[in-house]
Amino acid sequence: GESVGLHLPTLSVQEGDNSIINCAYSNSASDYFIWYKQESGKGPQFIIDIRSNMDKRQGQRVTVLLNKTVKHLSLQIAATQPGDSAVYFCAEVESGATNKLIFGTGTLLAVQP
Amino acid sequence: NAGVTQTPKFRVLKTGQSMTLLCAQDMNHEYMYWYRQDPGMGLRLIHYSVGEGTTAKGEVPDGYNVSRLKKQNFLLGLESAAPSQTSVYFCASSYVTGQGPNTEAFFGQGTRLTVV
Repeated sequence: GESVGLHLPTLSVQEGDNSIINCAYSNSASDYFIWYKQESGKGPQFIIDIRSNMDKRQGQRVTVLLNKTVKHLSLQIAATQPGDSAVYFCAEVESGATNKLIFGTGTLLAVQP
Repeated sequence: NAGVTQTPKFRVLKTGQSMTLLCAQDMNHEYMYWYRQDPGMGLRLIHYSVGEGTTAKGEVPDGYNVSRLKKQNFLLGLESAAPSQTSVYFCASSYVTGQGPNTEAFFGQGTRLTVV
């Protein structure tokens, strides 16, 4: 069957290298920006989020950077592993009481052994 | 604890047929969502619900209807399927926090629908 990864921007890295996945957003009013990971055949899974009043947030092996001036979000993955191979989506939560997640297009991360 | 369960996992419909996709969550979450995912695109929000008995339109609601009669279930209906509705459909749920938006949504495994 056709993969969700077809036609997506692709980042190919060697195992052990650091990966940087970028995302541009358009809604300046969003409260939070989030990264989700989607493995083949599965639903998206939450990785990390960052509030709009922050510039940087770190998790386990991942760091998210937010540049509100140019409306840019990035996800850095340290020491990339084969299990990191997936499609990565940035998303934003609209202000208000609905918790609506609005997703970006996605980037396919391919980790070469 | 099953999380978010979608049924069916696969379905092929003929143009004009109707069907209902079922989403069930056992986490007592207030918010539930239906997304569609097409190749080369992100997830697009179809409809969502902020609580039992309430629904609202998302980004691409045309051709779909939803119902949230029970808190744990969110149904997505296609009254007259069209080939343009061929897609992978994902249901998600999230919970209310007392401190602003909740960014962690829990997704089901998806339903692959083909309309011929």
